[in-house]
Amino acid sequence: DAGVIQSPRHEVTEMGQEVTLRCKPISGHDYLFWYRQTMMRGLELLIYFNNNVPIDDSGMPEDRFSAKMPNASFSTLKIQPSEPRDSAVYFCASSQFALGRPSGGAFFGQGTRLTVV
Amino acid sequence: AQSVTQLGSHVSVSEGALVLLRCNYSSSVPPYLFWYVQYPNQGLQLLLKYTTGATLVKGINGFEAEFKKSETSFHLTKPSAHMSDAAEYFCAVSDRGANNLFFGTGTRLTVIP
Repeated sequence: DAGVIQSPRHEVTEMGQEVTLRCKPISGHDYLFWYRQTMMRGLELLIYFNNNVPIDDSGMPEDRFSAKMPNASFSTLKIQPSEPRDSAVYFCASSQFALGRPSGGAFFGQGTRLTVV
Repeated sequence: AQSVTQLGSHVSVSEGALVLLRCNYSSSVPPYLFWYVQYPNQGLQLLLKYTTGATLVKGINGFEAEFKKSETSFHLTKPSAHMSDAAEYFCAVSDRGANNLFFGTGTRLTVIP
């Protein structure tokens, strides 16, 4: 299996522009997570899906952030409009089982490094 | 809510020396516990996890961790450090039956030749 695939690996955009990050989870995994990593706040869970349905989006910082999962093999995280403080590394992760089960465990993609200038 | 404390944001060891990375959690009910490693410009990779059963858990690359309920700790160890172990290590916890994963702030391990 190719693992969790994220694109692009790097994104540089100007403030005010729309940014779309993409994720392909591991096939057969029912859970998909979006995390953000910054020096100041570490790793933060933004949102997660179960069977393509958003379950908990309480970590999404503002209405400028939105996430979708139109099918089991694809998810997007969109920021519109982007701001410099959104600069971070965004990780997508997937899991076959719920994390709170003994067989749970999240597999992470390589991340998208977003820079908003 | 769960919280995870990793003591020491930076740890340096000599090649061949013992690696000890500390992790403490706060919860009245023992959670599931994880250690992840992040190499430069890479995503996080699961090293090992504790859910139930034996409290000493062995992971990849020679790492192991011991769950100590009385100390609410899950420290990561490796008997002999290799240069390739240089990376950032994250401890994480998940509530049993829930679907969350709370990360510590990470510990950057440097291995000195």
